[in-house]
Amino acid sequence: EAGVVQSPRYKIIEKKQPVAFWCNPISGHNTLYWYRQNLGQGPELLIRYENEEAVDDSQLPKDRFSAERLKGVDSTLKIQPAELGDSAVYLCASSSPLAGLTGELFFGEGSRLTVL
Amino acid sequence: GQQLNQSPQSMFIQEGEDVSMNCTSSSIFNTWLWYKQEPGEGPVLLIALYKAGELTSNGRLTAQFGITRKDSFLNISASIPSDVGIYFCAGQRSNDYKLSFGAGTTVTVRA
Repeated sequence: EAGVVQSPRYKIIEKKQPVAFWCNPISGHNTLYWYRQNLGQGPELLIRYENEEAVDDSQLPKDRFSAERLKGVDSTLKIQPAELGDSAVYLCASSSPLAGLTGELFFGEGSRLTVL
Repeated sequence: GQQLNQSPQSMFIQEGEDVSMNCTSSSIFNTWLWYKQEPGEGPVLLIALYKAGELTSNGRLTAQFGITRKDSFLNISASIPSDVGIYFCAGQRSNDYKLSFGAGTTVTVRA
């Protein structure tokens, strides 16, 4: 069974440029999460989707961050414009609805963003 | 921000040694989880604990859910080189999908 797939693995951009990350969750997983992991820290939730609906986006900095999951499968996270402090690893995770309530998340390899 | 305090922050151990790490919180969680992250990879779930006082093993790993529901411990017995990585604790409240992660304990194993 394929795991959570993310791309790109690495991205280097200059500040004020836009950037987008893509995630394909495990087949059949209705719940999709975007986490941000700063250097030396644990992941922090940005947004959670149930199918195509963003059910928790309270941690998403909405002035520059946006996300979508139009057909309830793949998802895209966008930052526009990027700032130096956005340098981090952006992790996508998925779970089945019940497993999400028990903390059993499956993470992708992450997209490492460096903003110069 | 991070609500969980993990210690130690890092540890260098000899192959074959046992490893202990812990995680504390100022608030109560109903689920405690331990994830491991290797370089360039996403975190992978190792152990999940759902009941205060619960002691659960997964191979050479043993984890405990503290009685107060504000802490958890992870032990690795007879460490091997592939135990290298960052170990994160995570807490989850009832009926809440959100996981709160600690900052991690980095384990380095010397052969």
